[in-house]
Amino acid sequence: GQNIDQPTEMTATEGAIVQINCTYQTSGFNGLFWYQQHAGEAPTFLSYNVLDGLEEKGRFSSFLSRSKGYSYLLLKELQMKDSASYLCAVREATDSWGKLQFGAGTQVVVTP
Amino acid sequence: SAVISQKPSRDICQRGTSLTIQCQVDSQVTMMFWYRQQPGQSLTLIATANQGSEATYESGFVIDKFPISRPNLTFSTLTVSNMSPEDSSIYLCSVVDSSYEQYFGPGTRLTVT
Repeated sequence: GQNIDQPTEMTATEGAIVQINCTYQTSGFNGLFWYQQHAGEAPTFLSYNVLDGLEEKGRFSSFLSRSKGYSYLLLKELQMKDSASYLCAVREATDSWGKLQFGAGTQVVVTP
Repeated sequence: SAVISQKPSRDICQRGTSLTIQCQVDSQVTMMFWYRQQPGQSLTLIATANQGSEATYESGFVIDKFPISRPNLTFSTLTVSNMSPEDSSIYLCSVVDSSYEQYFGPGTRLTVT
């Protein structure tokens, strides 16, 4: 098993930048995912990191450091529609390809 | 990315009945899975839907309660049997594509009364 820790809630202003950190402990790492989940909806895929470094996709970027067991999701130019829960999830090497261990999620609140 | 659809999107069922949820993917995928998200909780893997063979269940989930079919590489069903209010959840189909990225369907919101 593993622990996945992320902050419970973050608040930021429209147009600002927010960084959501995720730390994990795993016995064998095989990838880290970030999902966005609006209330009452299914998770939407944002990013998948398996190697160290930064991956940028438009306003969203994700970073991974395997040696530190650390990732962050960076949301730039925040919009009101970005208010949602952001889930960090890890795939363990010893598990099946489809088994993800999820953090509790970080609720991001974007204010005008 | 794979496009996943589920039917029904939501249902309200009586205790003791069964509901079958369908998952359709727009492309052939080797790896298909079923997850559950109970109210206020995170997602939990129920089972791996194996094409042409019996599903592989995670600890705490059994075939009699959650029978799964996977007749081909684009379709799967999950049945929630003999339902109780504790089965009220969102049930999500998930696939892993050729790049090992993992996607979730829109979910089926089940309420058991």
